[in-house]
Amino acid sequence: DAGVTQSPTHLIKTRGQQVTLRCSPKSGHDTVSWYQQALGQGPQFIFQYYEEEERQRGNFPDRFSGHQFPNYSSELNVNALLLGDSALYLCASSSSGSDTQYFGPGTRLTVL
Amino acid sequence: AQKVTQAQTEISVVEKEDVTLDCVYETRDTTYYLFWYKQPPSGELVFLIRRNSFDEQNEISGRYSWNFQKSTSSFNFTITASQVVDSAVYFCALSEAASGGSYIPTFGRGTSLIVHP
Repeated sequence: DAGVTQSPTHLIKTRGQQVTLRCSPKSGHDTVSWYQQALGQGPQFIFQYYEEEERQRGNFPDRFSGHQFPNYSSELNVNALLLGDSALYLCASSSSGSDTQYFGPGTRLTVL
Repeated sequence: AQKVTQAQTEISVVEKEDVTLDCVYETRDTTYYLFWYKQPPSGELVFLIRRNSFDEQNEISGRYSWNFQKSTSSFNFTITASQVVDSAVYFCALSEAASGGSYIPTFGRGTSLIVHP
């Protein structure tokens, strides 16, 4: 049973560039959530996708956008990158209505 | 608004010692869920346990045990006879039911556990 997978593992970008991160949910899950985890902090909720629509959104600017595909996989896009966007980006999946999320290994984004 | 506090930033123990990680939460809901996750150096958050607000029964699972007390809004986690492989950052999290039936956990800042051989 495949768990949550994310790609790429690591990414280095420069300020002002755009980045796309990818996530495939755990088998049987239809809901995907994205989190940003800065060094030494707990994960902060960015948004959640269900049925290809954004269902909930945290306190992040519009530079952060996402998409969910019919196969439930998801992308996180960040435009106009800032140095402060450097973080570990975690994807989590769950079944609709479930209170428990399962996390992927994350993508480490470094903005120079 | 929900809030999770993990007052211990870092705990250092010697192998085979018992260690307790503290978690205090705030919520106005009567229905909520509490979690512990483990984050090893690899970065992946590993789900350890879930408790709902109506189940105060404490649990022991191998070397792990959890103490949930609604009266003090605490959900503490104990590792008995710690091992080097237990070294990781441990996060406590709280979920309330959001609109549309989704659950979005709020995480504490984490407690870094270092187990020395």
